Amino acid sequence: DAGVTQSPTHLIKTRGQQVTLRCSPKSGHDTVSWYQQALGQGPQFIFQYYEEEERQRGNFPDRFSGHQFPNYSSELNVNALLLGDSALYLCASSWNTGELFFGEGSRLTVL
Amino acid sequence: GENVEQHPSTLSVQEGDSAVIKCTYSDSASNYFPWYKQELGKGPQLIIDIRSNVGEKKDQRIAVTLNKTAKHFSLHITETQPEDSAVYFCAASRVDSSYKLIFGSGTRLLVRP
Repeated sequence: DAGVTQSPTHLIKTRGQQVTLRCSPKSGHDTVSWYQQALGQGPQFIFQYYEEEERQRGNFPDRFSGHQFPNYSSELNVNALLLGDSALYLCASSWNTGELFFGEGSRLTVL
Repeated sequence: GENVEQHPSTLSVQEGDSAVIKCTYSDSASNYFPWYKQELGKGPQLIIDIRSNVGEKKDQRIAVTLNKTAKHFSLHITETQPEDSAVYFCAASRVDSSYKLIFGSGTRLLVRP
């Protein structure tokens, strides 16, 4: 049983560019959450998707957007990249009990 | 706003000793408190969680205690082993907020052989 898978694992972008990160949830999970983890800090909640809709959102600007597909997979898009967007982006999936299963993350470096 | 404070930021113990990490949360409506272990280059892994209807939960060498009145919860690791070395995060959430987790800043645990 595959866990949460994320791609790409590493990527480098320049300021002003756009990036798309992808996530496949654990089998049987229908909810996907995205977190940003800056170096040396705890993860911060970006947003959560359920039934293809954004259900909750943290304190992130509109440059951060997402999507959930009918097969429950999800994408995180970040526009107009800033140096401060450099971080590990974590996807977590869950079902009814709320226990979150995290992927290994996508490490984004913005130059 | 919602906040979780975690102490200490680093902890070094001798193999076999116990380790204790403490967290305080601000949102009195929080009722779910998980603990995650994150190894270098990996995503966080849930190691234990507790809900507000219990005060303590134990799983082998790991235990978590919750004091809702004081808004404190703690992770206790007994008989530490070198493989326990990692960064540990506490988190808090409300069940009715679809488990949006507020994380602490992490504790780097080093277990010396």
